[in-house]
Amino acid sequence: TQLLEQSPQFLSIQEGENLTVYCNSSSVFSSLQWYRQEPGEGPVLLVTVVTGGEVKKLKRLTFQFGDARKDSSLHITAAQPGDTGLYLCAVLLNYGGSQGNLIFGKGTKLSVKP
Amino acid sequence: NAGVTQTPKFRVLKTGQSMTLLCAQDMNHEYMYWYRQDPGMGLRLIHYSVGEGTTAKGEVPDGYNVSRLKKQNFLLGLESAAPSQTSVYFCASRAWTGGAGQPQHFGDGTRLSIL
Repeated sequence: TQLLEQSPQFLSIQEGENLTVYCNSSSVFSSLQWYRQEPGEGPVLLVTVVTGGEVKKLKRLTFQFGDARKDSSLHITAAQPGDTGLYLCAVLLNYGGSQGNLIFGKGTKLSVKP
Repeated sequence: NAGVTQTPKFRVLKTGQSMTLLCAQDMNHEYMYWYRQDPGMGLRLIHYSVGEGTTAKGEVPDGYNVSRLKKQNFLLGLESAAPSQTSVYFCASRAWTGGAGQPQHFGDGTRLSIL
């Protein structure tokens, strides 16, 4: 059973369109991170959300943490080809000897065509 | 401004061969991690280390060994490579923190093929 379910798995859109991707779970988390991974590179942190209902903006990207801290969304306004990549959500496990370990979702692969 | 450096970037092995992947970080981070990334499986934790001289198993440790003799280096070893270990391997590091939010910093990966 996957702890984090990301949807959609793949998304191909035209430049200028808006889109939303989701990260869902049945578990409650103290925080959630979003990473972007470009082809041939490692993931890079975009944002961390920690408070239920929190909204953070990073230029054209808007991140929201669900009120119950079980899910999150990433909305991109007026997508550009430079937004192409794999978007991963991740949560921190804080129990036993695994404090500080991240569990990743499988990601949403976004392709923005010019 | 190197961050996390992985060597080699690409490698092809034959079944049964052994090799070591090297990860080096220059950020003085306490925590280091090895992941594998496979299509449709996401990133899965192989082993991790919370400090020099310590290692621990992650989600998929079988077939791999690790060592952290120096704080800045984390080595991943394959003693007898199998085709199922064909993957992209990522190393990451993170500063110690008492709270959430510290990012993991990733290298650019090692693409390993086992024939």
